[in-house]
Amino acid sequence: LAKTTQPISMDSYEGQEVNITCSHNNIATNDYITWYQQFPSQGPRFIIQGYKTKVTNEVASLFIPADRKSSTLSLPRVSLSDTAVYYCLVGEDDKIIFGKGTRLHILP
Amino acid sequence: GAGVSQSPSNKVTEKGKDVELRCDPISGHTALYWYRQSLGQGLEFLIYFQGNSAPDKSGLPSDRFSAERTGGSVSTLTIQRTQQEDSAVYLCASSLAPSALDYGYTFGSGTRLTVV
Repeated sequence: LAKTTQPISMDSYEGQEVNITCSHNNIATNDYITWYQQFPSQGPRFIIQGYKTKVTNEVASLFIPADRKSSTLSLPRVSLSDTAVYYCLVGEDDKIIFGKGTRLHILP
Repeated sequence: GAGVSQSPSNKVTEKGKDVELRCDPISGHTALYWYRQSLGQGLEFLIYFQGNSAPDKSGLPSDRFSAERTGGSVSTLTIQRTQQEDSAVYLCASSLAPSALDYGYTFGSGTRLTVV
């Protein structure tokens, strides 16, 4: 399973665009990249998934360069309610491993 | 049901006692996963079910931990002779497909286990 590396924590302000980058240097050909969001006292929630180039949904965008060794989750115009832990996951196995995630703190 | 349901939401038990944690996945989801999350930490994979069988039990931390799933639906995680280091939030997730691709996991809210 490909290991992921992402920043431990980030701070930003309301209304800003936030980009969280994840490194996955040994990603396999069949691996997809998935991001989850976790609020305190809740289980993680699926945000977005992609394989290459760019994926966008109503919540976020996911940018994946051609070599797929990294990916960037982009949150447009964040609000205080976006304060959470964000996990980058890589894999196509049945057992997807969660790292420690990025703790995003949005300031007013 | 509409989501993944876990019970109890909180459990306080004495060291050495056995506990059972229950997970009721989304109806029709064939895959079911158990994770453990200690305070401020990431998620630790425990076990995965496809239907009633568990192809991967590699994450179970010791032989005090066991899990079963019946009828392709409800799963029970049992911890025998609980220890203080077992204190954590136990999260259950289910997925429509054998792989979590395309659909991702849907998580329950977890059971917070405290061993005193």
